[in-house]
This record gives sequence, C-alpha cells and structure tokens, in this order.
Amino acid sequence: DTGVSQDPRHKITKRGQNVTFRCDPISEHNRLYWYRQTLGQGPEFLTYFQNEAQLEKSRLLSDRFSAERPKGSFSTLEIQRTEQGDSAMYLCASSLLAPAGSYGYTFGSGTRLTVV
Amino acid sequence: DAKTTQPTSMDCAEGRAANLPCNHSTISGNEYVYWYRQIHSQGPQYIIHGLKNNETNEMASLIITEDRKSSTLILPHATLRDTAVYYCIVRVGAGSYQLTFGKGTKLSVIP
Repeated sequence: DTGVSQDPRHKITKRGQNVTFRCDPISEHNRLYWYRQTLGQGPEFLTYFQNEAQLEKSRLLSDRFSAERPKGSFSTLEIQRTEQGDSAMYLCASSLLAPAGSYGYTFGSGTRLTVV
Repeated sequence: DAKTTQPTSMDCAEGRAANLPCNHSTISGNEYVYWYRQIHSQGPQYIIHGLKNNETNEMASLIITEDRKSSTLILPHATLRDTAVYYCIVRVGAGSYQLTFGKGTKLSVIP
C-alpha cells in the first residue's frame, strides 16, 4: 500500500449525467476526506469520514453530492445531474486519528472532472 | 483556524535556498503551522509542521518566529522538481479535520 488511490484519473461527462469517483485510502488510516479544487484555487473541504461515519459536510456539498464509506475502507463520491460548475479536481485524502501535532494528511492524485 | 498570508509567487535559482514566508498574525496558542506543496496535476503533499520550535526533516526546515506570528519554509538546495505551489496552513492539531487552503505561493525554480 503505497498511498491514496483515486479512480478514475480523468472523467468527461455530459451535463445532466451522474458520475461516481472512488478513493482507496492508506489501509490503516481511519479518517478519509474529500476536497474539491478549481483552477487557480487551493483545495476546498467537502466532507470527511471517521471509519464509516460521515461526520461533517461542507455547505459546498449540495444535495446532488453524496459520499459513502460503507465498510470504513474505500469511499465513493457521487455527483448526480452534473452541471458545468462541477468541473474541478476532486481530491481524496486520508489520515490517522492521532494526538495533537500528528503528521499531515496523505492526498491522492485526484480525479479531474470535466462537464461538457 | 487562523488565516494566513503568503506572497503570490517567488523565483529561486536552482541550487540556492528557497525561503518562503507566511504571516499568521492571528494564530492561537494551540494552532500548528503546516506546510504542503502541490506539484502540477498532483494532489497536495505534506512537507512539515511545527508548533513553537523550529523543525527540520529530509525535505525542508521550518522557522517559526518567537511570537509565532510568522514562519518561513526553507528548501535548502532548490531543484527544478521543487517548482510547485506551496501552502501554509494553521490549524489545531488532531481535533481539527479540515485543512483551509489559501492560494499559496507559486515557487518557480529557475535553471
């Protein structure tokens, strides 16, 4: 297990279609995060899981977005009825729940979504 | 989490030290300073973090001022592969799950 894996790396979809992305975190990490990054901006927090529980969702996560982590391992992020504004890089990260001052998160390489 | 201010861009000659500043004047006593970088088309990569003391690892050094209102990330011998956007983030330790990224500093290492 060499890091956080995301699939697919690139996705082009037509407006109105549904898309699903997958993230496989580092196996011993119990926290998993989703971020979104648009061109020229830093990543923005979307949601995070501790084990299988989704504990926080950003206001950026509209009703069209849903994330799951069914067995506390891999996670999926689904976007329904995609819009052109959903075009972005979707990043997944994982970490351990550790004492203060722990190491940073490990990010995957992201899934770049283009809605046409 | 406290807000950070970084220069938009910087250049550094290959082989020289790159010093990237960050202001975080509203940092609280329990907030750590974290640095990440993002190379084009990749996810952010953790570099280093610190609370009060200066820190060094195999990638970089982190110098935090005594009043903790600013810090500097030092890449001692910059290479072309260090060209990236560098993000300075302050956050509470393990209790905070979010990383609040700004726009970062675009570092260009020049041959």
